[in-house]
This record gives sequence, C-alpha cells and structure tokens, in this order.
Amino acid sequence: QQQVKQSPQSLIVQKGGISIINCAYENTAFDYFPWYQQFPGKGPALLIAIRPDVSEKKEGRFTISFNKSAKQFSLHIMDSQPGDSATYFCAGNAGNMLTFGGGTRLMVKP
Amino acid sequence: SAVISQKPSRDICQRGTSLTIQCQVDSQVTMMFWYRQQPGQSLTLIATANQGSEATYESGFVIDKFPISRPNLTFSTLTVSNMSPEDSSIYLCSVVNKNYGYTFGSGTRLTVV
Repeated sequence: QQQVKQSPQSLIVQKGGISIINCAYENTAFDYFPWYQQFPGKGPALLIAIRPDVSEKKEGRFTISFNKSAKQFSLHIMDSQPGDSATYFCAGNAGNMLTFGGGTRLMVKP
Repeated sequence: SAVISQKPSRDICQRGTSLTIQCQVDSQVTMMFWYRQQPGQSLTLIATANQGSEATYESGFVIDKFPISRPNLTFSTLTVSNMSPEDSSIYLCSVVNKNYGYTFGSGTRLTVV
C-alpha cells in the first residue's frame, strides 16, 4: 500500500531554473512531512520539513507548499544548481513511522 | 542531530550465508529503525528496534530472515540471514530525535552472488 505518491520520477532542469516535485498522501494521521535529499552512496539527509498546520515553509532556496485539504505537498527548489542533482524523497510521519514516496531523480544541467 | 556510524559500508556475500550490519549512534536514542532500499527504489521500513524489547517487524519482513539486536540505547545490529540475490540492497539504520528529526546512516550496500 503506497501511502505517499511522488512525481515526477525524474526531472531535468537547467541551472538557475525552478525544480518542482509533488507528493500526494492518503494517511490523514500524518503529522509531519519531511523532504530528504540523497546523493549516491549516502544515506538520506533531511532537507526541509513541514507540519500540517502550516501552508508554506521556506529555507533558503527550498520551499515546501502544503495543501491539507487536497492532501498534497510539494518541494520547490529555486535557482537550481548542479550540486542539487540528487534523489529527493518526500515522506509522511505517523506514530514514529516514516512512509516514503517513490523518489525523484533530479538532474540540474549546467 | 545524532551521528550514525554504520558498518560495513559494503559487502559482497555468497548466497546462503548471513551478514550482520552494525549501527552505532553517538547519543542515546529510544527508537532505532532499519530500512531496505532496493536499487533505484525508495526506502522500505524493515523493523523498529527498541532497547529491552523485541523488534517490531513490518509486513513482509520476519525475524528469522532479519534478526535484530538492540543491546543498549546506542547500538543495534541487523542480520540478513540465508541470503539470496534478491537480498541485494542498501540497508540503512535510522534514529528519531526530538521533534521527529530522523537521521540516517550512510547505509550498507549488500551484493549477494
């Protein structure tokens, strides 16, 4: 049972462009929505996270937009850089259990 | 956030053998988690390990195949038993800090031949 659906599976963006990754969830018990960034050979690292009582959170070039009624949230990467090329995972947390989306492989072309 | 040391970082194993993966945390944590990440895929929770109690396994994972130990609040091991090529994956441990700050180890890349 896939409780978090993530799209697109892969994304190519030019340097300086905006990268947008979308997630939709089913479990209304989720109370925390993190985004993770994973480079090859490394474990996922927390990038940014949001709680459902907030509609938007911004940290530097990274912004989460959250729509509770639609059960959707998205990650926006502004001014994308080649160093942002990685796999991104959204997730939902309920009861100390993270459920991950399928992942998005982002490539930022110089 | 917590710092996790996971060993080994990679291994190539013969089918039918077992591999034990170690996860050491630099601070005491109540809950530790073990995940599997198959090549090019997302992370799937194998089990949750609490100190002093048996691990709780997710659907599709059983203790005989993935026995877990949690002898103290900073250490856990996951054993992949009687391995087959289908067990080739990255195995990751994770801990949760205050306010749901989950931290992951760098993972163990396992190849079964």
